[in-house]
This record gives sequence, C-alpha cells and structure tokens, in this order.
Amino acid sequence: QSALTQPPSVSGTPGQRVTISCSGSSSNIGDNPVNWYKQLPRTPPTLLIYTDYRRPSLVPDRFSGSRSGTSASLAISGLESDDEATYFCGAWDVSVNGWVFGGGTRLTVL
Amino acid sequence: QVQLVESGGGLVRPGGSLRLSCTASHFSFSDSYMSWIRQAPGGGLEWVSFIGSSGLYTSSADSVKGRFTTSRDNAKNSLYLDMTSLRAEDTAVYYCARHELENDPFEAWGQGTMVTVSS
Repeated sequence: QSALTQPPSVSGTPGQRVTISCSGSSSNIGDNPVNWYKQLPRTPPTLLIYTDYRRPSLVPDRFSGSRSGTSASLAISGLESDDEATYFCGAWDVSVNGWVFGGGTRLTVL
Repeated sequence: QVQLVESGGGLVRPGGSLRLSCTASHFSFSDSYMSWIRQAPGGGLEWVSFIGSSGLYTSSADSVKGRFTTSRDNAKNSLYLDMTSLRAEDTAVYYCARHELENDPFEAWGQGTMVTVSS
C-alpha cells in the first residue's frame, strides 16, 4: 500500500481537461512540496512538475500542479494522445526520512 | 545531457546477494545526491535509498534496512547498491536517479536494471 493515494485511472477525450489527485498526510504532503512524474510503458519516469507547480523547461504549460493541506493535484488541459501515460506523485516524508510515492494513475485518452 | 546507466541486475535465488552499479556522466556527480528507486512488475514506485554527495550520509527505506547498502565512488562517477538476503518481494526494476539535495526532486533517471529473485 502506497503512502500517497492516487486514483488508479482517469480518462478524457482530446482537448478536455483532467485532474489527478494525490492524498497524503502531515508527515509528507502536509509539510513538503509535491513532485509529479510521467511514465510511458517500459521507460523510466521523467520529472513533470516539481515543488508543487514548477515545470521543467521542456514541459508545456498545459500541465499544472497545486497543493493544499495534505493533498495535491495535477491538471492537464488540452488533452493530447501523447499524454496517455502513468502519472506518479511523490513527496519527502519526515517520518521515514525519505521519499514516498503514490501508486500511480493511468491516464487514458479516449 | 545527463546520463545514468545501471548494470548488475539478473536472476538470483532467495537469500542470495547482488551488486548493482550506476555509472554517471555529463553532470557533476560528486556534487549530486543519488537515490535508488525500484518498481515491481506492474507496480508503483518505491524509494529504496539515497546517499549524500560525499558518501557520508545515507538513508534507506525500512523494507531494505539492514539488507541493502548504498555507496558511491566519486572518482569513478559511480553509485552502488549492495543487496543481501534477497527476497521474492525485492523483484523489481531498479533505477538510479539524481537530485540536488536530499529532498529535491529526481531530475534524471537511468533506464533501470531488472532484478528477479526466484528459486
């Protein structure tokens, strides 16, 4: 069981906006920023959003993140077929002195 | 472009040992924190351990504490994971990843190396 809770799957049609939630606790999301990773099949994850809402230079602004209390969310607007992937949230956890992740959310573009 | 290449994975019997390596290039390895993260087949990500830039500071997940040891050789731009007393539940793809400080995001990941623990 993952320390952070994500929905197993979400779906949307091209052009639509979808959100993925990530729920944690006071020892992780409640006190530390959240990062999001995107993983395509049979490839390593790549950093998508860091420090709650910041985007690496090559990530389009269709992707946005936010954090409030012990939850965070990733929003993807203008959905494209290339967005079909699994998305993981991760945060530092002071109680384990290490990182915890969500179980991952598989996004399907219908 | 940052490059991380893992090696050393394979099939090992329960109770056995294995050493994974991660060779880094195109960034200042000696100034970077490094982590090992694993992913069981069809599963999510699990952080395994990290090591500070000098190698003096390490931390590991409870699931591997006392069995896995993380080390590095900055002269060789290499990171290691020594795994002992391996169990079936250690079966996973093991990734090495780079981050600036201990609680910074994982900016770069290797391609991973598969470890299978089975009799």
